[in-house]
Amino acid sequence: DGGITQSPKYLFRKEGQNVTLSCEQNLNHDAMYWYRQDPGQGLRLIYYSQIVNDFQKGDIAEGYSVSREKKESFPLTVTSAQKNPTAFYLCASRGVLGTGDGNTIYFGEGSWLTVV
Amino acid sequence: GQNIDQPTEMTATEGAIVQINCTYQTSGFNGLFWYQQHAGEAPTFLSYNVLDGLEEKGRFSSFLSRSKGYSYLLLKELQMKDSASYLCAVRYMDSNYQLIWGAGTKLIIKP
Repeated sequence: DGGITQSPKYLFRKEGQNVTLSCEQNLNHDAMYWYRQDPGQGLRLIYYSQIVNDFQKGDIAEGYSVSREKKESFPLTVTSAQKNPTAFYLCASRGVLGTGDGNTIYFGEGSWLTVV
Repeated sequence: GQNIDQPTEMTATEGAIVQINCTYQTSGFNGLFWYQQHAGEAPTFLSYNVLDGLEEKGRFSSFLSRSKGYSYLLLKELQMKDSASYLCAVRYMDSNYQLIWGAGTKLIIKP
């Protein structure tokens, strides 16, 4: 089935530790996104990538890093510099703007990250 | 800033109709989206409006007035499974076409 796969679903991080969240899509979409969701707040954009080997910071990029070596994959690393990482993380992708598929963002199932 | 405003929480009765409003700043507007999100799950796409008027899709309809910076999501014949958060998001040209998200409206359906 076509879609976006995030893993792991649940992840625990110790203080000072880096962790990486995986995101894979088989929709052949160029654009991919990482959002963070906290209770009572809208989705906030961490990073986005519109093409392989290129990515841009979103509104809350500090303490996070990404890579886009393949079209299908857009992993997010939460570094120890992110002081409050406990949140629900959502990966998403979008088709080409101007096409029928370009007007919808599709989401993965999300990853819950908790600092212990 | 580009604030998206929607009510925090609404309550409605099973079988009834509910309207969830969303207001936004009009400058650079390039499209408005509604998503449904059940607790602990990812958002799922409901509707997309870029022109004025009403888009109907089964029990759900979405309306847009670009001049007023206003949209609403109308849910008819409410079912218990409609209990969820409803997210309004706006695409702006001057934000490199990224979506700006409202905080969501939590809809509680009572029997």
